[in-house]
Amino acid sequence: AQSVTQLGSHVSVSEGALVLLRCNYSSSVPPYLFWYVQYPNQGLQLLLKYTSAATLVKGINGFEAEFKKSETSFHLTKPSAHMSDAAEYFCAVSQEYGNKLVFGAGTILRVKS
Amino acid sequence: EAGVTQFPSHSVIEKGQTVTLRCDPISGHDNLYWYRRVMGKEIKFLLHFVKESKQDESGMPNNRFLAERTGGTYSTLKVQPAELEDSGVYFCASRPGTSGGQETQYFGPGTRLLVL
Repeated sequence: AQSVTQLGSHVSVSEGALVLLRCNYSSSVPPYLFWYVQYPNQGLQLLLKYTSAATLVKGINGFEAEFKKSETSFHLTKPSAHMSDAAEYFCAVSQEYGNKLVFGAGTILRVKS
Repeated sequence: EAGVTQFPSHSVIEKGQTVTLRCDPISGHDNLYWYRRVMGKEIKFLLHFVKESKQDESGMPNNRFLAERTGGTYSTLKVQPAELEDSGVYFCASRPGTSGGQETQYFGPGTRLLVL
C-alpha cells in the first residue's frame, strides 16, 4: 500500500530564508507525485507534480521539488521565503494514472518577519 | 473557466440528522473525486466517479454515506444519519479524461461539516 510521510507538522522560517519541506513516499511502482498548497479558507492548489519526466520539477511561486528514487523522497524547496508562502502544504502520491491520491499529514509553514 | 465549486461551504447539524453536500466539477471533466479530512488527520480518499459510474469507492467509511453523480455532471454526497466522527472537511476534485498529461486533480474549497 502506498503511504506518504511529511516530516514536521509545523515548519517556521524567517522571511528570505530557505524553505525545505520534506516528503517521503512508499510505492511499489514509479509513482506520480504532487505537492498541493492550501491557503487559509481556500481549497487545495497544485504547486507542482512529478510524472516520470524530469526529476527536478519547477512549480508556481518559485517552488521546486526533486524526485529521488533511491531515497524515495520528493522534498519541496524555495530559495527565499515570502510572507505570502505561509500556508499548509501537502505531499501526495498516486500509484496509477488518474488513480486516487494518498496524502501526507500536511506541513504548516510559518514565515516570520 | 470556473473551478470546482462546493456547496455549502459550512454545515452544522446535530447527530442523527441528514446532510447533503454538493460538488460541481470543472465543465467537461469526466473524473470526480471525494476526499475527507477529519480534524488532525490526513486527507483521505472516499470515492471516484468516471462520468456517472463509481470507479472506486474503496474509501467510503460505511453505508451511512451515499454518493451519486446522476448524468455525469454534479455530484452529491449524503450522510444519513450523521455521527460525531463524520465532522471534518469534505473536498471534491475533478480531472479531465484519460489523455496523457491530465493527471492533475483540481480541488474545490471544501465543505466544513460539524456534527454536534
